[in-house]
Amino acid sequence: EAQVTQNPRYLITVTGKKLTVTCSQNMNHEYMSWYRQDPGLGLRQIYYSMNVEVTDKGDVPEGYKVSRKEKRNFPLILESPSPNQTSLYFCASSLSLVPRNEQFFGPGTRLTVL
Amino acid sequence: TQLLEQSPQFLSIQEGENLTVYCNSSSVFSSLQWYRQEPGEGPVLLVTVVTGGEVKKLKRLTFQFGDARKDSSLHITAAQPGDTGLYLCAGQHAGNNRKLIWGLGTSLAVNP
Repeated sequence: EAQVTQNPRYLITVTGKKLTVTCSQNMNHEYMSWYRQDPGLGLRQIYYSMNVEVTDKGDVPEGYKVSRKEKRNFPLILESPSPNQTSLYFCASSLSLVPRNEQFFGPGTRLTVL
Repeated sequence: TQLLEQSPQFLSIQEGENLTVYCNSSSVFSSLQWYRQEPGEGPVLLVTVVTGGEVKKLKRLTFQFGDARKDSSLHITAAQPGDTGLYLCAGQHAGNNRKLIWGLGTSLAVNP
């Protein structure tokens, strides 16, 4: 089954404790991205990747890091989480860079930073 | 600045009613997508429109892209409880093929 998986689905952590949210897709997609979704602010792109070893900042990259060492994986790293990073996070992938291509979203990771 | 304005923000209707939600902008988009997001899940693509004036139908859902490619609408006929969810529009801004602009969404509740 074609899908995007994220882990963990739920995470409660404390300020400053480094964490990684994993994302994997099995569709051989070139383009992957991370979003956060907050009430009243909608979906905002954090980082995106056009292919292996090619990443770029989205609209709200501060406090986040990403890597793309393999085509299928695109982990999101929070080196020192803060309460304002409490949010619902989505990983998405699509066949290519052109935004009109369908984006396939993961099920989301709900992160709470205390 | 929110480049894609969705209205209404919230909508609660009875089963069987018709409804229309709107996605408007002062900018031109080369393509526009509609997604539906159900609670606890990620958005799922419903349709992509690329031509000004284009109309696409998906069962009881009708999507229209404005002639000037600045706006779009989604019309649902005889809404059912299974239509409940957050409807998001997202556009590819003309002149910038790297970025997808997202609206804030319309939260629809269809009551039995």
